[in-house]
Amino acid sequence: DIVLTQSPALAVSLGQRATISCRASESVRSSMHWYQQKSGQQPKLLIYGASNLASGVPARFSGSGSGTDFTFTIDPVEADDIATYYCQQSRNDPFTFGSGTKLEIK
Amino acid sequence: EVQLVESGGGLVQPGRSLKLSCAASGFTFSNYYMAWVRQAPTKGLEWVASITNSGGSTYYRDSVKGRFTISRDNAKSTLYLQMDSLRSEDTATYYCTRDDYDGYYHVPFAYWGQGTLVTVSS
Repeated sequence: DIVLTQSPALAVSLGQRATISCRASESVRSSMHWYQQKSGQQPKLLIYGASNLASGVPARFSGSGSGTDFTFTIDPVEADDIATYYCQQSRNDPFTFGSGTKLEIK
Repeated sequence: EVQLVESGGGLVQPGRSLKLSCAASGFTFSNYYMAWVRQAPTKGLEWVASITNSGGSTYYRDSVKGRFTISRDNAKSTLYLQMDSLRSEDTATYYCTRDDYDGYYHVPFAYWGQGTLVTVSS
């Protein structure tokens, strides 16, 4: 199985940039997607195909990368962005998720 | 608007069975792959099972193979997950998901329901 590694947490000040990384144990090409999960809610797709914004998602969110190294960025960070962010690969079965990065406000 | 509404969760004893349902609306159900993803309390997300749009093919993670069965009724726009021989490690919120395809990228979990909690405990 492809293992996706994320840092557990990140603290950022409001109005600043937040950058979350995801490293895959083998290449997933551009088959990487990012989700936001707020406390008590279901996950929501934000970025698909490494860098494509899902429908209705603000342009403050973006993604980049290919192969094994991916980055998810929020710029600028707003108070409503407090959540856990997960990367997920769909290159190989079984589809796997990262362990999530909890975004906190300084 | 895509809507996925799960039901059927609850408290069940180890070794017993439970069947989850997911009622879909707002799209043509028979056109899309569907899947179940679960999340143990305070843990991350884990894919459980998937089914093709026709129901002709199904896929499972190793830990549930032989115990869980995913199925669908396209006439009723409903997805199911039959869970047998339940274990304490199956305790989780189970989410129903729908895929999407933009002509190039297949996104297996593009839409999510609100989830239903399954607790396996004696």
